[in-house]
Amino acid sequence: QVQLQESGPGLVKPSQTLSLTCTVSGGSISSGSYYWSWIRQPAGKGLEWIGRIYTSGSTNYNPSLKSRVTISLDTANNQFSLMLSSMTAADTAVYYCARKSGSPVRGYYFDHWGQGTLVSVSS
Amino acid sequence: QSVLTQPPSAPGTPGQRVTISCSGSSANIGSNTVNWYQQLPGTAPKLLIYSNNQRPSGVPDRFSGSRSGTSASLAISGLRSEDEADYYCAAWDDSLNGHLVFGTGTKVTVL
Repeated sequence: QVQLQESGPGLVKPSQTLSLTCTVSGGSISSGSYYWSWIRQPAGKGLEWIGRIYTSGSTNYNPSLKSRVTISLDTANNQFSLMLSSMTAADTAVYYCARKSGSPVRGYYFDHWGQGTLVSVSS
Repeated sequence: QSVLTQPPSAPGTPGQRVTISCSGSSANIGSNTVNWYQQLPGTAPKLLIYSNNQRPSGVPDRFSGSRSGTSASLAISGLRSEDEADYYCAAWDDSLNGHLVFGTGTKVTVL
């Protein structure tokens, strides 16, 4: 059974860069046709898609965050990472990593999620 | 900046049928499949419906989804207390080089 686990700092200072890692177990991150994604959720609010990376390394980002986001793969350690620069209080949220599965015919969907990690932005 | 609009709340009594709407545009729901996620309090979202109307293994058939034009809906029949949760629709949006959009979310309350 595939499992995902987020890790990283729980507190980031304003203007700093957030770096989070998602460790995947129970399957190889470089095999299969999967998109590895980051999603966030401010307290009491809805879900916001941050971006994704395909097993080939190609990426797509949320247009509203694109200038500050980088998602990368670390196949050696079966991990993928998120970097979000110029953090502000508005970036305080629970950050989830997730695997997107599916096909062009069936569509794509998040079938496995991490438990989420709370990131607060404060000086 | 959700572009999929859902009602903020959907109350119901046990055994009742509740329907949640998800309104989008030709760039998202009108062109791509819709998924629904259930988020129980304090937990990560869970896939409930994929490809508009398909249930993953283990999801009760009380949950059903549909899509028509630029809107989608999720129905919960035989409402149970454990269905009290937040529900989100999601679809790929073909604008701006493509990106995923979530709905605004609907809180289902079992009275």
